[in-house]
Amino acid sequence: RKEVEQDPGPFNVPEGATVAFNCTYSNSASQSFFWYRQDCRKEPKLLMSVYSSGNEDGRFTAQLNRASQYISLLIRDSKLSDSATYLCVVNEGDFGNEKLTFGTGTRLTIIP
Amino acid sequence: DAGITQSPRHKVTETGTPVTLRCHQTENHRYMYWYRQDPGHGLRLIHYSYGVKDTDKGEVSDGYSVSRSKTEDFLLTLESATSSQTSVYFCAISEPGTGDYGYTFGSGTRLTVV
Repeated sequence: RKEVEQDPGPFNVPEGATVAFNCTYSNSASQSFFWYRQDCRKEPKLLMSVYSSGNEDGRFTAQLNRASQYISLLIRDSKLSDSATYLCVVNEGDFGNEKLTFGTGTRLTIIP
Repeated sequence: DAGITQSPRHKVTETGTPVTLRCHQTENHRYMYWYRQDPGHGLRLIHYSYGVKDTDKGEVSDGYSVSRSKTEDFLLTLESATSSQTSVYFCAISEPGTGDYGYTFGSGTRLTVV
């Protein structure tokens, strides 16, 4: 079983729609969680951290469910510029000794 | 954006030759990492460094070595390149323990071993 699992997609979504991705992780001791965005042939960039209480950044909402060991990302009112691959990332290390494990990514294409 | 650069950006090399990739940062971050990214595998850690001359292996370290003689430079060497090492290599930096867990990645090096 992979440590961090994501649906690879692709998700093809019309502009303006809402789309959600889930990610599951196997290590219940994982400390912190992130979503990264990676554009085609570019480097990954931090999109947002995922907090236990859930957090929102504009059109993006991240949720964490520790009991079920999954993380979600919701994108509202999707834009063409949201087309990218979204990487779920789990930190299995302690504070000051982070060990990040990356999912393989979910590919999103927003259709005009 | 954080100051992190990788060189070269692209390289084609022959099987059996040594190859060195360079990562340079201007952020004075303690931690530096080398990852490879392949379809179906996501990003996998090769080696990382937590200070000058302090390095450790990641999950896919066989066939690779690293060196860090200065805070700003982290070198990845493929001792004898093989076709299975054809990949995109990313360097990343971080400063753990500061509350900002985000990694900043370089633009990547596309390596083809023929």
